[in-house]
Amino acid sequence: DTEVTQTPKHLVMGMTNKKSLKCEQHMGHRAMYWYKQKAKKPPELMFVYSYEKLSINESVPSRFSPECPNSSLLNLHLHALQPEDSALYLCASSQEWGQGWNEQFFGPGTRLTVL
Amino acid sequence: AQSVAQPEDQVNVAEGNPLTVKCTYSVSGNPYLFWYVQYPNRGLQFLLKYITGDNLVKGSYGFEAEFNKSQTSFHLKKPSALVSDSALYFCAVRDYVIKAAGNKLTFGGGTRVLVKP
Repeated sequence: DTEVTQTPKHLVMGMTNKKSLKCEQHMGHRAMYWYKQKAKKPPELMFVYSYEKLSINESVPSRFSPECPNSSLLNLHLHALQPEDSALYLCASSQEWGQGWNEQFFGPGTRLTVL
Repeated sequence: AQSVAQPEDQVNVAEGNPLTVKCTYSVSGNPYLFWYVQYPNRGLQFLLKYITGDNLVKGSYGFEAEFNKSQTSFHLKKPSALVSDSALYFCAVRDYVIKAAGNKLTFGGGTRVLVKP
């Protein structure tokens, strides 16, 4: 199984809502990533988990809260978002965080709209 | 610091013609280079990578790329483009001299490829 799955595919939320994005992989990868992508732009790294521990936080606002319950799952909890947070949120995984030659496998993304 | 440039925002090509998407990079040491493709409303799909060795790298869907160290380039090529190749293409680099960077990629701005029938 070489697939990264993400749910939901689409999410519309108000600025006072709390929601969560979910990502799952069963490739035995020990590094997992959250990216934010605006239309026609490259992905921007948000968080990196390595062996279920947060390794990188790219100065992301606290209204985004990541969680890695186990080696296969990655969540992104959302609270009090702003309209400018509307974007495609991509999850990715790779074999190891410290091995730069490993390609990352991306999920299809969650299209988030904040009203 | 590492950086990637994709000088063309869009490339138009007729179906059956050769396709080239350009990428140049800047790193302190030796690069790991990647190409990804993104179809509309989808995630990124890995196409190919250069780590070391042969400068010509072959990847998925008939794509290949040539690593040129003197020109610091890693152009993506396909001998005969298909309409289904129309998508957004990203070049990415990882500089392994900066070990603390782990697997962090620096992406180029992307090139939209439009293949016309």
